[in-house]
Parts: sequence; C-alpha cells; structure tokens
Amino acid sequence: QVQLQESGPGLVKPSQTLSLTCTVSGGSISSGSYYWSWIRQPAGKGLEWIGRIYTSGSTNYNPSLKSRVTISVDTSKNQFSLKLSSVTAADTAVYYCARLAQGYSSSWDHFDYWGQGTLVTVSS
Amino acid sequence: QSVLTQPPSVSGAPGQRVTISCTGSSSNIGAGYDVHWYQQLPGTAPKLLIYGNSNRPSGVPDRFSGSKSGTSASLAITGLQAEDEADYYCQSYDSSLSGLYVFGTGTKVTVL
Repeated sequence: QVQLQESGPGLVKPSQTLSLTCTVSGGSISSGSYYWSWIRQPAGKGLEWIGRIYTSGSTNYNPSLKSRVTISVDTSKNQFSLKLSSVTAADTAVYYCARLAQGYSSSWDHFDYWGQGTLVTVSS
Repeated sequence: QSVLTQPPSVSGAPGQRVTISCTGSSSNIGAGYDVHWYQQLPGTAPKLLIYGNSNRPSGVPDRFSGSKSGTSASLAITGLQAEDEADYYCQSYDSSLSGLYVFGTGTKVTVL
C-alpha cells in the first residue's frame, strides 16, 4: 500500500519561499507509470492542482502559479518537493501531495493516493 | 479558479438516492475527457471514489456510481448512509490555460 507524507514548515512569512517535501513509502517512486503531484486547498474552499513531476524530472505546472512554482524529485530518497516563491496570504492552504495514475491518455489521469495534507499559513 | 461547476449542497434521508452534477465545457468534459470523483470526509484528505467516469477502485461500495454525457457528469449515491456525509469533488483534464487538471467547486452531501 503506497503512502505519502508531507513535511515542512507550517508558517511562512510573506514574500518568502514555501518549501514542502513529500515522502513516498510502500513502493518506489520510480516504478510504474505515475506522475507525482501537489494540490492545495484553502480553508473552506475547493482543490487546486499546482503541478506534477515524472521521475525523469519532467514537470508541468498550473499556468496561474507557473512563475512561482518549482517541483523537483529525489529518487534516491523516494521524495519529491515543492517550492513556491513570493508567497502571500492567498497561498495559505492545506497542501497535499498525491500520486497521479496515468493511462492510455492524459484523459485517464487521476489522483489515486493522497497524503494527509499539511497546513501552511503565510503570515508575518 | 474551479472550472467545473457543482451544486454547493445536496441532502437526503438515509436509504435515499442522491445525485451530484458536474458541469464543464468544451475544453474539458465536453472535449471527451474522462471525469473522476473524490470523497473528502471532514478533516481528511480526498479519496478516489470513481475514475474513468464510472469505475470504482477496490473497496469502494457499489452504492457509488458515475456517468458522463456531453459536457456534464454525475455521481449517484444510492442507499445513502450517515457515513456518506462528506464533500465530493469531480476532476477532469483540461486543454485550455486553466491547467492540465481541473477540479469541481465541490458539493457537500448532508444525510438528514
């Protein structure tokens, strides 16, 4: 059973960089046809996809966040990470990491395993 | 910035059937892309409920079913149970500048 666990600071100052890591257990991050993603959810609001990475290092980002987001992977540690720069209060949210299962086309892509989420608050 | 529209809330008595709609556009559901559904129990992470429009992962009760037609999709819950009280989100692929993967606005299901 694959498990994902987010870790990182719960409080970030405005204009600074938010950094989170997702540790994958129960399987190798390099096995199978999976992307690895970050998704966030402001309190009381819906889900927003942030970006995805393949173990080759190939990435795709949400255009609304692209200028501030970097996702990287460390296969030796079975981890992938998120950096979001120049944060503001609008970036306060629960951040989830998730495994993105791929299929015959991108249409089939769905998030089959999720971490428990970590709350990141942007405040001085 | 959700591009898939869901009703904010639906409710039903135990044992009843409820449905949740998910309306998209020509750049996502209407383009033929699959719809997937997630259940988010209070205070927990979302959990995959339906994938590929109508497929249930192992362990998901057959009370949950999904369908898609045109630019919309639906999630049906039959034999509603108290444990089904949660938020439900649809998700699809999008070919516009909204981002590769878009989610619905979310629907709160209340068991009366």
